[in-house]
Amino acid sequence: GAGVSQSPSNKVTEKGKDVELRCDPISGHTALYWYRQSLGQGLEFLIYFQGNSAPDKSGLPSDRFSAERTGGSVSTLTIQRTQQEDSAVYLCASSLSIDTQYFGPGTRLTVL
Amino acid sequence: GESVGLHLPTLSVQEGDNSIINCAYSNSASDYFIWYKQESGKGPQFIIDIRSNMDKRQGQRVTVLLNKTVKHLSLQIAATQPGDSAVYFCAEKLGNQFYFGTGTSLTVIP
Repeated sequence: GAGVSQSPSNKVTEKGKDVELRCDPISGHTALYWYRQSLGQGLEFLIYFQGNSAPDKSGLPSDRFSAERTGGSVSTLTIQRTQQEDSAVYLCASSLSIDTQYFGPGTRLTVL
Repeated sequence: GESVGLHLPTLSVQEGDNSIINCAYSNSASDYFIWYKQESGKGPQFIIDIRSNMDKRQGQRVTVLLNKTVKHLSLQIAATQPGDSAVYFCAEKLGNQFYFGTGTSLTVIP
């Protein structure tokens, strides 16, 4: 595709439910990042994938958060047993190298 | 963690004037910097970048200045247009990670 795509664009869920957020990076981009953006806050790093290397998970806030990247392309961020404080916009970015990142439109998650 | 801050949270300018958005970063080892524009309901959009071995870089209507002595980054937008109204973030790269500021909201007054 022409850019990074994310789905769904909006997700409303009940507290305690699991959610899966999807990111389709730009074709050929080897690096993929997940960030969380809360209202009035800067982007919070969550996880980073680079090629076939082990992901950098140092930003994941708890063990309820996990992410996979299958075949070096599509990535899924999973949040288990969602809490209200998980409500935020989740942004995915990809890059050809560890430089310029191109962001998707984000998924707005609302936990009721 | 790293902190990337912006001097002003909001900025209003008249259409046609030049805009300057400032950013301070904290780590002198950061080697790459990016400015992003984020419109309401959209993801951040790359505007311009600069590496630490440069002081200035120009794009179309935008210029980024890097002052490593005081760890300061600025974005200059020439002839600001209503379509420039958005939140602008700076980001610094340290190692494999990027650190983002909270952003400056730019409003262009027609």
